[in-house]
Amino acid sequence: SQQGEEDPQALSIQEGENATMNCSYKTSINNLQWYRQNSGRGLVHLILIRSNEREKHSGRLRVTLDTSKKSSSLLITASRAADTASYFCATYLKTSYDKVIFGPGTSLSVIP
Amino acid sequence: NAGVTQTPKFQVLKTGQSMTLQCAQDMNHEYMSWYRQDPGMGLRLIHYSVGAGITDQGEVPNGYNVSRSTTEDFPLRLLSAAPSQTSVYFCASSYHPDRADGYTFGSGTRLTVV
Repeated sequence: SQQGEEDPQALSIQEGENATMNCSYKTSINNLQWYRQNSGRGLVHLILIRSNEREKHSGRLRVTLDTSKKSSSLLITASRAADTASYFCATYLKTSYDKVIFGPGTSLSVIP
Repeated sequence: NAGVTQTPKFQVLKTGQSMTLQCAQDMNHEYMSWYRQDPGMGLRLIHYSVGAGITDQGEVPNGYNVSRSTTEDFPLRLLSAAPSQTSVYFCASSYHPDRADGYTFGSGTRLTVV
């Protein structure tokens, strides 16, 4: 079963608005990562937040992590049409070997 | 150009045929993984490797084999293709899953099994 679950599955906003996507996961993690995928392309890494961190920023991106609720959120501020893409969270599980497990993703449409 | 190279980009197979999806990276990454992406399912981990000679199963390993004889290459073999293996396959690599720069992904192989 998948470790991460994004919410909502799809989101449509106007250019200039903020977009918030959420990710919930099931077990303890070492870190949580967010990726972007433009249609038909490979995924691009956006940001990583470790289990001992609560918030990180990168440009217009803000990520929070609440390990007590096993959830994370990705906020994109002042969205642009170019932000239209699918966004995935991925969790890193430190077990006997190292796995990175992805959720099903949120499809974001930014309307000009 | 540094990155992850996947070949072929497109492939059509008949049921029962075998084939190998190639993945190569030139960044000296230790960690490499294969994922498949199906509509509404996100990416599911097939197999992964933490270094040359070391591989392990992911979430959906059945029907696939891997080996890692060099740091650069991580081929994925389909033993006997089935229509359920129709998907887009992505290879990804990183120095370590806990590094801030995350995984680098290839551009994918779109596989259709008829």
